[in-house]
Amino acid sequence: GENVEQHPSTLSVQEGDSAVIKCTYSDSASNYFPWYKQELGKGPQLIIDIRSNVGEKKDQRIAVTLNKTAKHFSLHITETQPEDSAVYFCAAVIQGGKLIFGQGTELSVKP
Amino acid sequence: GAVVSQHPSRVICKSGTSVKIECRSLDFQATTMFWYRQFPKQSLMLMATSNEGSKATYEQGVEKDKFLINHASLTLSTLTVTSAHPEDSSFYICSARLARRSGNTIYFGEGSWLTVV
Repeated sequence: GENVEQHPSTLSVQEGDSAVIKCTYSDSASNYFPWYKQELGKGPQLIIDIRSNVGEKKDQRIAVTLNKTAKHFSLHITETQPEDSAVYFCAAVIQGGKLIFGQGTELSVKP
Repeated sequence: GAVVSQHPSRVICKSGTSVKIECRSLDFQATTMFWYRQFPKQSLMLMATSNEGSKATYEQGVEKDKFLINHASLTLSTLTVTSAHPEDSSFYICSARLARRSGNTIYFGEGSWLTVV
């Protein structure tokens, strides 16, 4: 079936450094790729998303890139801050409008 | 962003009882809502798709008689865990799809912690 692979599972960076999380998806018909930030004990919060008609989208310190040919998409966080520490999930919409999630990346930003 | 509210945020129930979790889209209408389950340190697993005015669509392996879903209005979907057992203890999260001309966006609720004792 359709799936989304996410790497790395854990990522530790120093405050101010950049963090990159990568995902691949299997359903070539997917056209919407959101990224969620989940803090402990809370629901996922949408932080940025990209649709298949663009290759890159940026919102302040966060950017997402999409390569439809390779079925890759990535999240880039620049100038990381301790409050960026959380679990990040990529996702892709598959047939029927359902969201399939990656395995998650636990990001730790050390002050 | 759009707001999705879940209630209760935490609930403890006894084995054999049923518990209902509500999911509301506060500032938009959602013809489609989704219910997920999440175990500690794991990803979100889709349980079912809730469609307003029709029966929910369940993912493979999810018991529809155990996890009853009702989507009676464009802003409310409910998940009822029937005859709960300790293994049903989990974090349940709903999401709602906001349809825009530019495309759909999916927002999540804050989740509901269920503990069955």
